[in-house]
Order: sequence, then C-alpha cells, then structure tokens
Amino acid sequence: QSALTQPPSASGSPGQSVTISCTGTSSDVGGYNYVSWYQQHPGKAPKLLIYEVYKRPSGVPDRFSGSKSGNTASLTVSGLQAEDEADYYCSSYAGSNSYVFGTGTEVTVL
Amino acid sequence: QVQHVQSGGEVKNPGASVKVSCKASGYTFSDTTIHWVRQAPGQRLEWMGWINTGSGGTKYSQKFQGRVTISSDTSANTAYMELSGLRSEDTGVYYCARQVVSGTPGDNWGQGTLVTVSS
Repeated sequence: QSALTQPPSASGSPGQSVTISCTGTSSDVGGYNYVSWYQQHPGKAPKLLIYEVYKRPSGVPDRFSGSKSGNTASLTVSGLQAEDEADYYCSSYAGSNSYVFGTGTEVTVL
Repeated sequence: QVQHVQSGGEVKNPGASVKVSCKASGYTFSDTTIHWVRQAPGQRLEWMGWINTGSGGTKYSQKFQGRVTISSDTSANTAYMELSGLRSEDTGVYYCARQVVSGTPGDNWGQGTLVTVSS
C-alpha cells in the first residue's frame, strides 16, 4: 500500500488561508468517503481534525475544513494562527479493513 | 476523560522483540478498535494494524504481516503491540489510537513509545 501524496510544505501569513492536498487512488481516497486529517506538533501525538472527509470532532475550530474531489482530498486552514504551525497528515480507508496515511505536510506560519 | 497511556521507551538489540502496552481509561474498552501507528524519526505516520477488543479480530498491514502481533486484555483495559525480528529501521515512536468513527484510525491517541533498535 503506497502512501498518499501530500506536498512537503505549505505556508501562509497570519489570517490567510492555506490548503493542503492529499492524492491517492480509486482504491483509497477516491473509493471511500473515509478521509481523515491529523495535526501533529513536534514531539506530540497526532490530533484528529477532520473525519469522513469534512466532519469536525467536537472542539476543533471551524477554521479547519475538509473536502474531496475524485482521488484528491483537501484540508483548508482559514484564518491562520501561530499555533497552526505543525505537521498535517491525511489518512484514508484503503479497503479490506486496511488504512493508509499520507506523506505529511509541514505548515509554516510566516 | 478518554485517555491512553503507553509503556515507557525501550532499547533493543537487532533481532530481538519488543512489546508495547496501551492502557485505556474513560470509556468501555471491551468493545472498541485500537490501531497501532509507527513514526520513524523525522518520517511520516505509518499504519501497522488494528484489533477489535470485543471480537479479538485483527488486521495487519502487509508491510508488518508476520512480524507484528496485536492483542488485548479487556480485564486490564490494555492493548499490546509486539514486533519481532527488530532491525535498525524499526527505530521510531509507536502510537496506539482508538477508533470510534468508521474509517478513522484514531480519535484519541496515546502519548507514544520510543523504541530504539541498536547494537
């Protein structure tokens, strides 16, 4: 199972928006509405931001939004804040009860 | 509150095995799914497998099939991940994570356990 493809880095100034893509295949991202997104600060465990493509767990600000088109999912962070500087990972169900994570994107707040 | 507390860091020789524990609290552990995810130093998250604590059913990533065993003890509210035939490339932080929502391998994560493989 190959990792989902994410851009290595993304950046934006405070208040701006940044969008991170997550490209897979019809066997994972394109085949199921089971894409999730995680935020990971250095030395910390990942935190769930988005599940089932666009749904937010309780407590996650609505500045974080998710979408999907074909084999590519996207995470948009609006109104960037300093604390949004972190690594972001997507994940997708890949069939046969298996999962795959993305390559990760480092977001820098300029 | 929901919490997963993992065992402490380990240093192992190549060829050895390691068993990492993940103790859950704050919810009904006896009917849930626990995933294990690895992160090598400076690298991405890598899905290893899961266990359903109710049925005992498991699923492993093809990459780790044959070397990994995930188990659970519902009386102790604890899940385990054992990796055998360790090599230097297995050095990394190992996380457990609870799945509550379909298709989402982790709504609540343990703090991670660093496993170092070195002679």
